[in-house]
Amino acid sequence: EDKVVQSPLSLVVHEGDTVTLNCSYEVTNFRSLLWYKQEKKAPTFLFMLTSSGIEKKSGRLSSILDKKELSSILNITATQTGDSAIYLCAVGVNSGNTPLVFGKGTRLSVIA
Amino acid sequence: GAVVSQHPSRVICKSGTSVKIECRSLDFQATTMFWYRQFPKQSLMLMATSNEGSKATYEQGVEKDKFLINHASLTLSTLTVTSAHPEDSSFYICSAATGLNNQPQHFGDGTRLSIL
Repeated sequence: EDKVVQSPLSLVVHEGDTVTLNCSYEVTNFRSLLWYKQEKKAPTFLFMLTSSGIEKKSGRLSSILDKKELSSILNITATQTGDSAIYLCAVGVNSGNTPLVFGKGTRLSVIA
Repeated sequence: GAVVSQHPSRVICKSGTSVKIECRSLDFQATTMFWYRQFPKQSLMLMATSNEGSKATYEQGVEKDKFLINHASLTLSTLTVTSAHPEDSSFYICSAATGLNNQPQHFGDGTRLSIL
């Protein structure tokens, strides 16, 4: 059975801290790994990773995939209260029409 | 970027009512749409995969007669919760995929359903 595991499940940090969120997976026919941010509504897309070792960056957020270790990390530097959210890791398998396999998410709380 | 519109955003209705939720891809053709359910403080649970022009594929434990899915066009899928009861209260989210391997799925804003 395909599985995605995220850690930690929850995290509380102070503004300005740097955080690293982890995602590991065990799936057949890996195609891609995606990170989403969920606040009060539905998840918003952050990154899609398909190749190992290539960092993707968007502002203070960055992510990288390690296919050898079957894992990915999401880094957030200089955190702000607006970064408080649930961060979901999902793995795409088979084709683009196959459902994503989601982890349980990491709940990040950034306090002032 | 890709936009998925979900409507309505919130529904409050009496037990026994049927509720229809629409999911539209606004700027791309979605060969496949997915319906998820999310309970408080939990991750997304896939309910069904909806393919344009064919029957939806339901996940184990999801009643197909209870949750009717129609995907009549490449831009619209609907989920109808029939004869809803309080235990059906939840956050329902759709996502849409182009079917291309290098394209991410995009989510609608979700529908919060409350059955009294």
